[in-house]
Amino acid sequence: DAKTTQPTSMDCAEGRAANLPCNHSTISGNEYVYWYRQIHSQGPQYIIHGLKNNETNEMASLIITEDRKSSTLILPHATLRDTAVYYCIVRVGEHTDKLIFGTGTRLQVFP
Amino acid sequence: KAGVTQTPRYLIKTRGQQVTLSCSPISGHRSVSWYQQTPGQGLQFLFEYFSETQRNKGNFPGRFSGRQFSNSRSEMNVSTLELGDSALYLCASSLGPSGGKTQYFGPGTRLLVL
Repeated sequence: DAKTTQPTSMDCAEGRAANLPCNHSTISGNEYVYWYRQIHSQGPQYIIHGLKNNETNEMASLIITEDRKSSTLILPHATLRDTAVYYCIVRVGEHTDKLIFGTGTRLQVFP
Repeated sequence: KAGVTQTPRYLIKTRGQQVTLSCSPISGHRSVSWYQQTPGQGLQFLFEYFSETQRNKGNFPGRFSGRQFSNSRSEMNVSTLELGDSALYLCASSLGPSGGKTQYFGPGTRLLVL
């Protein structure tokens, strides 16, 4: 079973920041939070991951709450090409690559 | 650096046949995982391999099998195909099975079973 909860869908205006929330209240201390996105019929694309601290890369920022029970993915200036399904995933364990995907959030960026 | 490659990209088979899908990981990556994606079940983990050993297996019947070669390339096989096996099969690779090691996905093989 997925260990994360995400809204089913969200809308965002082009050029505005898209803030995608994720709840992972049962996360363990050594479990990472990963974000991937999937544009229709393509393989999931890695976005960002974090353990405790906030992270930023060229694609997005990841804000993890202090208790680590939730996180927010921020796309600072959404474009039409950011329209996709975004998956928030808690890595199952320390020594496995197994990912359990939930249903994700379908982000629609509109002009 | 080239990404994860999967062959073939598209495949049509009939019920009862078997199929073999291939995955070439990113150079230097030693861990390969496979996933099945269907509209009804979403993305589901099939199995993962590291150093030619299966480390983990998802909840799929024995018709689904895989292997990894010494060069880290991996294949998965589905025998006695059923209509419900129609799906996008995705392969992902990483440096190794560790929480902090990122997995990168290939474009997938779309299998249609008639």
